[in-house]
Amino acid sequence: NAGVTQTPKFQVLKTGQSMTLQCAQDMNHEYMSWYRQDPGMGLRLIHYSVGAGITDQGEVPNGYNVSRSTTEDFPLRLLSAAPSQTSVYFCASSYSRENEAFFGQGTRLTVV
Amino acid sequence: GENVEQHPSTLSVQEGDSAVIKCTYSDSASNYFPWYKQELGKGPQLIIDIRSNVGEKKDQRIAVTLNKTAKHFSLHITETQPEDSAVYFCAARSLTDSWGKLQFGAGTQVVVTP
Repeated sequence: NAGVTQTPKFQVLKTGQSMTLQCAQDMNHEYMSWYRQDPGMGLRLIHYSVGAGITDQGEVPNGYNVSRSTTEDFPLRLLSAAPSQTSVYFCASSYSRENEAFFGQGTRLTVV
Repeated sequence: GENVEQHPSTLSVQEGDSAVIKCTYSDSASNYFPWYKQELGKGPQLIIDIRSNVGEKKDQRIAVTLNKTAKHFSLHITETQPEDSAVYFCAARSLTDSWGKLQFGAGTQVVVTP
């Protein structure tokens, strides 16, 4: 099993550009989440999903969109990048509400 | 919603000494408290967790304690080694959250000096 795979690992965007951060897991997990990590602020939840077709907003959803068409994939879309979205992004998955969350290696995004 | 505070933000210890990180939570309905370790350039990885029906759990040099009355829990690392240097996050999950979202603390940067 590869676990949780995030691509790309690094990305530089110009303000106003759009892009999609990819997340895939091969553990048949129903629960998937996106977090952003900023210095001194820990991990903040952006969006999450409890299964294909079911998503909801987390703590900091503005500027981000998600969809979940398959169990395996949970992409995060930035429609119009802003410097405030410079951060490290982590995708996580778990089998159920009660199980351990597994994290990907992260995507370091810089918006200039 | 749940709020988790974590202290200290940085911790420097001599190799072989103990390290203690403390977290407090606000939601009395929280019942699951994991600790994650994040090494440089990697994603967080679960190292130990505790549920509200126990007060302490140990795994080799790592232990977690939970005080439900005071709503705080702590991570204890004994006989620290250089490979313990990392960022550690505590988290809490509330029974009142139907989808079981985790609320994370701000993290503690632990540096173990030889």
